[in-house]
Amino acid sequence: DAGVIQSPRHEVTEMGQEVTLRCKPISGHNSLFWYRQTMMRGLELLIYFNNNVPIDDSGMPEDRFSAKMPNASFSTLKIQPSEPRDSAVYFCASRTTGYNEQFFGPGTRLTVL
Amino acid sequence: ILNVEQSPQSLHVQEGDSTNFTCSFPSSNFYALHWYRWETAKSPEALFVMTLNGDEKKKGRISATLNTKEGYSYLYIKGSQPEDSATYLCATPVGGNTPLVFGKGTRLSVIA
Repeated sequence: DAGVIQSPRHEVTEMGQEVTLRCKPISGHNSLFWYRQTMMRGLELLIYFNNNVPIDDSGMPEDRFSAKMPNASFSTLKIQPSEPRDSAVYFCASRTTGYNEQFFGPGTRLTVL
Repeated sequence: ILNVEQSPQSLHVQEGDSTNFTCSFPSSNFYALHWYRWETAKSPEALFVMTLNGDEKKKGRISATLNTKEGYSYLYIKGSQPEDSATYLCATPVGGNTPLVFGKGTRLSVIA
């Protein structure tokens, strides 16, 4: 298996632009998580899906952030409009139901100028 | 809100030294404890998942213990090598089939 796939790996954009981050979970995993890594907060959960359904989006910082999972093999995290303080590394992770380990993607490093 | 604490925040050891660090978590409603290894510019990689009080897991020179009654886990590295330099994260779920809540990690630097 290729593992969790994220794209792009790096994104540099200007303030006000729309940014879309993509994730393909491991086949057969039914839970998907979006995390953001910052110096201040470490690894913080933004939103997660079980069986393609958003369960908890309380970690999404603002209405500028939205996430979708149209099917079991694809999810997007969108920021519109982007701001410099959104600059961070965004990780997607997936796992099977239960207390099993989460597998992380390589992350997308976002820089908003 | 679940609070997962790790100490120390950072650690510098000489090559060949053995070291250990701590993860503290609420002992009530415990489900599982995860340890991850996170190298710079890479993604977190799972080391262990532990669920039973008294559990001990080992992978090469790295081992971990779990005390669910008092809410802590230790990670040990025997004979540290420069390639062990990384941030070590622990995490636990809030409830059944819920996301992991991560500690802020212990950053280990092994000096050759």
